[in-house]
Amino acid sequence: QVQMQESGPGLVKPSETLSLTCTVSGGSINNYYWSWIRQPAGKGLEWIGRIFTTGNTNYNPSLKSRVTMSVDTSKNQFSLKLRSVTAADTAVYYCARVFCSSTSCCFDPWGQGTLVTVSS
Amino acid sequence: SDELTQPPSVSVSPGQTARITCSGDALPKQDAYWYQRKPGQAPVLVMYKDSERPSGIPERFSGSTSGTTVTLTISGVQAEDEADYFCQSADSSGTYVFGTGTKVTVL
Repeated sequence: QVQMQESGPGLVKPSETLSLTCTVSGGSINNYYWSWIRQPAGKGLEWIGRIFTTGNTNYNPSLKSRVTMSVDTSKNQFSLKLRSVTAADTAVYYCARVFCSSTSCCFDPWGQGTLVTVSS
Repeated sequence: SDELTQPPSVSVSPGQTARITCSGDALPKQDAYWYQRKPGQAPVLVMYKDSERPSGIPERFSGSTSGTTVTLTISGVQAEDEADYFCQSADSSGTYVFGTGTKVTVL
């Protein structure tokens, strides 16, 4: 069964770029959308964006100006870059596969999440 | 509003029924999904398209919808059901949105 694991620095300085990678195992990354989702402490989950294996992307309008997602099918990985971070970007970041029916989409499975703290 | 509102917490005794609500104006037009997250673990999909249960999810989990509210019901709650639960749907622009989350405590 497909499993996912987030990786990347746990500490990022303000104004710098947060970079995370999600490695997919147990199945091919091809022909699916893949997403990043985050949850700041004490707040709700926020969808960041999704990427198809062809590179097509959709981003949350609230973060669109600062987000870039990419995919490397040869490594079964996809990545997130969030520019100009502030303390408000401190959160647990999850990667997940997007599973779509004809009418809607959900997230299944998810990674365990990785905490990224923005601090000098 | 396209926000999804859940009660912060629900407490229930073992063997009793827990009902977790998720309210939002978009819900009559959009499918809803439910996830369970235990501490330190990846979230798990426990209900899709309002009331469909994925394979491997116990039958005590069920889903229903009425107007602007969807409900996840756990019948005969067990200690292992103690977790955070959150709903998910999409807003009018197609952006995925999540509920505020509910912590289920088994007394």
